[in-house]
Amino acid sequence: NAGVTQTPKFRILKIGQSMTLQCTQDMNHNYMYWYRQDPGMGLKLIYYSVGAGITDKGEVPNGYNVSRSTTEDFPLRLELAAPSQTSVYFCASSYSGALRAFFGQGTRLTVV
Amino acid sequence: KNEVEQSPQNLTAQEGEFITINCSYSVGISALHWLQQHPGGGIVSLFMLSSGKKKHGRLIATINIQEKHSSLHITASHPRDSAVYICAAGEGSDMRFGAGTRLTVKP
Repeated sequence: NAGVTQTPKFRILKIGQSMTLQCTQDMNHNYMYWYRQDPGMGLKLIYYSVGAGITDKGEVPNGYNVSRSTTEDFPLRLELAAPSQTSVYFCASSYSGALRAFFGQGTRLTVV
Repeated sequence: KNEVEQSPQNLTAQEGEFITINCSYSVGISALHWLQQHPGGGIVSLFMLSSGKKKHGRLIATINIQEKHSSLHITASHPRDSAVYICAAGEGSDMRFGAGTRLTVKP
């Protein structure tokens, strides 16, 4: 069982470039989440989805977009990368919003 | 003031010591979670609590809803327990996370 898989693990972007962080889960979970983790700070929710075709903003959605065309996949898109988006990004999934979540290994993104 | 506060920020212990990490929250909750972040960065869910106490091996988590406080205890600590421990509290998908407690257990 692969669980939650994120790609890539590391990426360096130039200011203004765009990229997509991939996230896929094989547990048939309804809920999926994207978080960012900055040094010395708690995880912040960027976007989440309660099922295919449904997405909603979290605490820090500006500069990001998501889609949920299938139950398995929840990609996070950065359109115009900015240095403030340098962070470690985690994708997670859970069967419902109240149950324990399973996390991916994280993507370390640096914008220069 | 953060909605979820953890203490201490950093903790160093000798192998075998009893460890306590504290979490206070100001948000309404349907559940409180304790997570472990390994030195390599991966995050694992340890406990989900809505009341009382849970135990898994050497780890014990308690919550006091009236006082809005939770504790994570590690008995007979071991160097492999070295990690960042994160408390998260909230309702449904709206979870707020503490900044984490970095635990180092020395042999």
